[in-house]
Amino acid sequence: QSVLTQPPSASGTPGQRVTISCSGSSSNIGSNTVNWYQQLPGTAPKLLIYSNNQRPSGVPDRFSGSKSGTSASLAISGLQSEDEADYYCAAWDDSLNGQVFGGGTKLTVL
Amino acid sequence: QLQLQESGPGLVKPSETLSLTCTVSGGSISSSSYYWGWIRQPPGKGLEWIGSIYYSGSTYYNPSLKSRVTISVDTSKNQFSLKLSSVTAADTAVYYCARHVPSITIFGVVPENWFDPWGQGTLVTVSS
Repeated sequence: QSVLTQPPSASGTPGQRVTISCSGSSSNIGSNTVNWYQQLPGTAPKLLIYSNNQRPSGVPDRFSGSKSGTSASLAISGLQSEDEADYYCAAWDDSLNGQVFGGGTKLTVL
Repeated sequence: QLQLQESGPGLVKPSETLSLTCTVSGGSISSSSYYWGWIRQPPGKGLEWIGSIYYSGSTYYNPSLKSRVTISVDTSKNQFSLKLSSVTAADTAVYYCARHVPSITIFGVVPENWFDPWGQGTLVTVSS
């Protein structure tokens, strides 16, 4: 059971916009920033969004992040086949004094 | 460009100690104010943070693993290491190392932020 809750799966067709949610509590998302990672099949996770809504250099602006209260969302617009991957949210938890991850969402491009 | 590479045995017997090393290239562990972390991923499952170490040696551990984990740093070799004792089959996973960005808080420098970059990962299987 992960501390942060994500839907196990999401899907969309090419060109569509999809969102992935991440739900937490006051001790993690509610008081700290959220980061998102993309894990393509058979590869290591890669930083996708940091500090709620910032994109590292090289990440397309099709990817965006937001946070409200104790929840966060990752949005992918103009969905492409290469976006098919697992997506994880993460945040610091003040109660656990540690980093926590969501269980991951498997995105399928139909 | 900073790169991280995990190394160590791919097979560990139950009850023994898992030992991995992460070698950092393209930058110095001790010249930058970052934490250096370990994360693992059991086959077909999600990510779990194990712990992180500051270049000075200060550590933060996942409370669920704290009793079995030791992370250390060797600045002379630009490496940091993970030891996980009393392993069971549940510790079978791909182990990743990564740079862990900290925040400066009233409690000091805390590894609150993101992991970037990551190593490619190494699979460790616990089996007799």
